[in-house]
Amino acid sequence: AQTVTQSQPEMSVQEAETVTLSCTYDTSESDYYLFWYKQPPSRQMILVIRQEAYKQQNATENRFSVNFQKAAKSFSLKISDSQLGDAAMYFCAYTYISSGSARQLTFGSGTQLTVLP
Amino acid sequence: EPEVTQTPSHQVTQMGQEVILRCVPISNHLYFYWYRQILGQKVEFLVSFYNNEISEKSEIFDDQFSVERPDGSNFTLKIRSTKLEDSAMYFCASSHPGTGNTIYFGEGSWLTVV
Repeated sequence: AQTVTQSQPEMSVQEAETVTLSCTYDTSESDYYLFWYKQPPSRQMILVIRQEAYKQQNATENRFSVNFQKAAKSFSLKISDSQLGDAAMYFCAYTYISSGSARQLTFGSGTQLTVLP
Repeated sequence: EPEVTQTPSHQVTQMGQEVILRCVPISNHLYFYWYRQILGQKVEFLVSFYNNEISEKSEIFDDQFSVERPDGSNFTLKIRSTKLEDSAMYFCASSHPGTGNTIYFGEGSWLTVV
């Protein structure tokens, strides 16, 4: 069974600074996707960034980037130039690739990020 | 940008009552999901749906739960006889294989069972 582990229940960062959130996962699949979702106090789940396992290049989305280490099964999220609006719960998630059927996301337990002014 | 919409945003129901949560997935998506999040806990998978049938379901998705796609746009989750422990945020989501199966979530339906 696939598992996703986020070992940092809480993190804080000063506004404009950089913070890295950690995620590790366990799978026997070779083709899969990894995601970071953000959940602000409104509790909506917002996609932040996505990484395909077959791509060696790390994904980036503006101030958000990942460090994907496939051999180590590690998938960390770096937020640069942190803003007050980045404060939220961040969830790491995994799904494996299978054509013709819907595959579930497996979530980590989340990291609550506080941004200090 | 297309989005997943859910109704109601919040519902309070008596224990034992039936509840139907409604969702309109993104129009060209093929895969549909329900997840739930009990307050303070991680998001848990309930069920996935493809080609008019259940694709996968978790242990949580027992006989009191059912899903249906009654027409070309709606996707519903029915809880037959609600229990106190069913109180949670329920998220509908959808995806399309052409977008790497990225799963897009609705804003959630907050269910309170009293």
